Amino acid sequence: EPEVTQTPSHQVTQMGQEVILRCVPISNHLYFYWYRQILGQKVEFLVSFYNNEISEKSEIFDDQFSVERPDGSNFTLKIRSTKLEDSAMYFCASSARGPNTDTQYFGPGTRLTVL
Amino acid sequence: SQKIEQNSEALNIQEGKTATLTCNYTNYSPAYLQWYRQDPGRGPVFLLLIRENEKEKRKERLKVTFDTTLKQSLFHITASQPADSATYLCALGGVTGGGNKLTFGTGTQLKVEL
Repeated sequence: EPEVTQTPSHQVTQMGQEVILRCVPISNHLYFYWYRQILGQKVEFLVSFYNNEISEKSEIFDDQFSVERPDGSNFTLKIRSTKLEDSAMYFCASSARGPNTDTQYFGPGTRLTVL
Repeated sequence: SQKIEQNSEALNIQEGKTATLTCNYTNYSPAYLQWYRQDPGRGPVFLLLIRENEKEKRKERLKVTFDTTLKQSLFHITASQPADSATYLCALGGVTGGGNKLTFGTGTQLKVEL
C-alpha cells in the first residue's frame, strides 16, 4: 500500500542552524501539507501546497519557514534559523484531491530537537 | 472562540466492550470530519472520514456519527481489543475560509485492558 515517507526520522541541530526536512508524498497525490506536534500537544497545521505554490499557511509558518517541491517526488520543509521552540515532531501529509473531497495521509514524522 | 474538545484525556475499558469517544466543536462549520489513530512517536493513521451530509459511517469494528446540529461526532470501537490501545484524534476539515487544512482536537488516549 502506498505511503508517505519522511527523512530523517530524527534531526538534532543547534539553535540558529538551518534544517531541511524531507518528504516523499504518495505518488499520484497533488496536495501536500506540513503539520507539527509539540510534545504532549495537539497536531497543528503549518502549510498546504498545490500546483507548485503555497495555498494556505498558518501563523506559525513565518518567514523562517519555506517549502519546496524540487522535483516530481520530494517535498521539503526548510527552517532557516532554528529556535528552541521549533523542537517538535513534523509530519508531512498528502491527499489526492482538494477541499471537501479527500483524506490526508500522514508520514511517520521527523523528530526535530533544537539545542 | 473556536474550540475542539475530545472527551476525557484518557479512557480505560475492558476487552470486548464498546469504546465510545466524543468530539465536540464550537464556532466551526466543517464540511467533513476525520478520525485518526496515533501511537506514541508515530504519525496519525487515517481511520474514517464522514461528511456533513452523512449521519453515520462504518468500517469493520469502527463506527462514526456526525451531528452538525449538536456539533458533535461520536467514534465507536466495538469488541475492543488491547491492540486498539492508542490515542484517537478527531480533525475538522473543509472549514469555511479554512481551505483544506485539518484542525485537530487534543485526542483521547484509549486503553483496553484484559
